[in-house]
Amino acid sequence: GAGVSQSPSNKVTEKGKDVELRCDPISGHTALYWYRQRLGQGLEFLIYFQGNSAPDKSGLPSDRFSAERTGESVSTLTIQRTQQEDSAVYLCASSLRGRNTEAFFGQGTRLTVV
Amino acid sequence: SQQGEEDPQALSIQEGENATMNCSYKTSINNLQWYRQNSGRGLVHLILIRSNEREKHSGRLRVTLDTSKKSSSLLITASRAADTASYFCATDDGNAGNMLTFGGGTRLMVKP
Repeated sequence: GAGVSQSPSNKVTEKGKDVELRCDPISGHTALYWYRQRLGQGLEFLIYFQGNSAPDKSGLPSDRFSAERTGESVSTLTIQRTQQEDSAVYLCASSLRGRNTEAFFGQGTRLTVV
Repeated sequence: SQQGEEDPQALSIQEGENATMNCSYKTSINNLQWYRQNSGRGLVHLILIRSNEREKHSGRLRVTLDTSKKSSSLLITASRAADTASYFCATDDGNAGNMLTFGGGTRLMVKP
């Protein structure tokens, strides 16, 4: 596709349920990021995939959060047993491998846990 | 902790005035980038400045980088109401596999 695509764009879920968020990066982009952004706040790094290297999971806030990426394509972010504090916009971005490259962002998934 | 920290956190100016936002970071970097975000959704890349560059221009945007002070500034000249948005700096430090780390952002409001 022409840009980074995220789905769903909005998700309302009940506390305790699991949710899965999807990101389709730009074709050929080897780097993929997930960020979380709470209302009025900055971007909180969650996880970073780069090619075949082991992902950097250092930003995942708890073991309820996990993410996978199939090769250099689709990524899914899974949140188990959702809590109200998980409510936020989840942003995905992709970029070409290497230095001095810009990141392209999707429009995000707005997650609301009720 | 955040690699990039923007200053100020919020800025309100009149249309036609210049807006200056600053970013400080902690480690050595390959490059520093500025992004814009409207309405809390996807970010849009504005400009990238490499570690060996000191100043860069793009239209009404001017970015400076001082690696000795580990700081950068974004200047928007002759601001317009449409420039109202949040602006974020991001650093690529190379040591983390070219991962981008973002600061907390500056919320700019340009009043018509």
